[in-house]
Amino acid sequence: DAKTTQPPSMDCAEGRAANLPCNHSTISGNEYVYWYRQIHSQGPQYIIHGLKNNETNEMASLIITEDRKSSTLILPHATLRDTAVYYCIVTTSGTYKYIFGTGTRLKVLA
Amino acid sequence: DVKVTQSSRYLVKRTGEKVFLECVQDMDHENMFWYRQDPGLGLRLIYFSYDVKMKEKGDIPEGYSVSREKKERFSLILESASTNQTSMYLCASTSPGSGGAAEQFFGPGTRLTVL
Repeated sequence: DAKTTQPPSMDCAEGRAANLPCNHSTISGNEYVYWYRQIHSQGPQYIIHGLKNNETNEMASLIITEDRKSSTLILPHATLRDTAVYYCIVTTSGTYKYIFGTGTRLKVLA
Repeated sequence: DVKVTQSSRYLVKRTGEKVFLECVQDMDHENMFWYRQDPGLGLRLIYFSYDVKMKEKGDIPEGYSVSREKKERFSLILESASTNQTSMYLCASTSPGSGGAAEQFFGPGTRLTVL
C-alpha cells in the first residue's frame, strides 16, 4: 500500500499557483519525500525531493510541515504544460524502492 | 542529456508467447527497475537490479523474470504472456546520490497488448 494520500484531482487557472497537498502521516525519520509528475503517454519525471527543510528548484517548491506528516508541492505559475498526474512518494534512502500511489490529476485551465 | 530508452513504444503479442522488453540507460547507473502501470493502480514495482547479474523481486514478480548481463541493459521477460499482462511497462534507473537520496530516471514506456 502507498504510504501517501493525495486528492485524486485538482484544477488550477493558468498563471496561478498550483498547490498540491500530500499526507504522509506514517513517515519515519530517514524517509525522503519525492515528487514526480507524469504527462500523458510519457514516463514519470522527477520534480523535487526533501527530507526536513523546504526546497526550491527551477520547477517547483516543496513545503514540508515541521512534524513531516504532510507536504505541499507548489508550482508558482502554472501553465497548460503542467497538466499531468503528480505523485508524492516517501522512500527510505538506500533502498531506492518507490511505492507509487494513484497521484493527483492536475488540470491547468486556460 | 540523461537517457533511458525502451525497445518499443507499442507491442502486440499473443497469449503464450515469450516476450522480451529491453531497457538501456546511458548514465552508468547501478540500479535499474521495471514497473507496470495500470489504470487506478498507479505504478507497481515488478523487479529491480542493483548490480550486474543481481536482481530482487518487487511487489508483483509473478509471471515475470529479468536479466541484467551488462550494467546498461535490463531486460524484462514474460515467459508465457497472458492477457492480464496487458499493461504499460516502465523502466527506470538511478544511482546512489549524496545522503542516499536518488532521483529515478524513467523511460518513455512500452504499451504491451496481449491478445
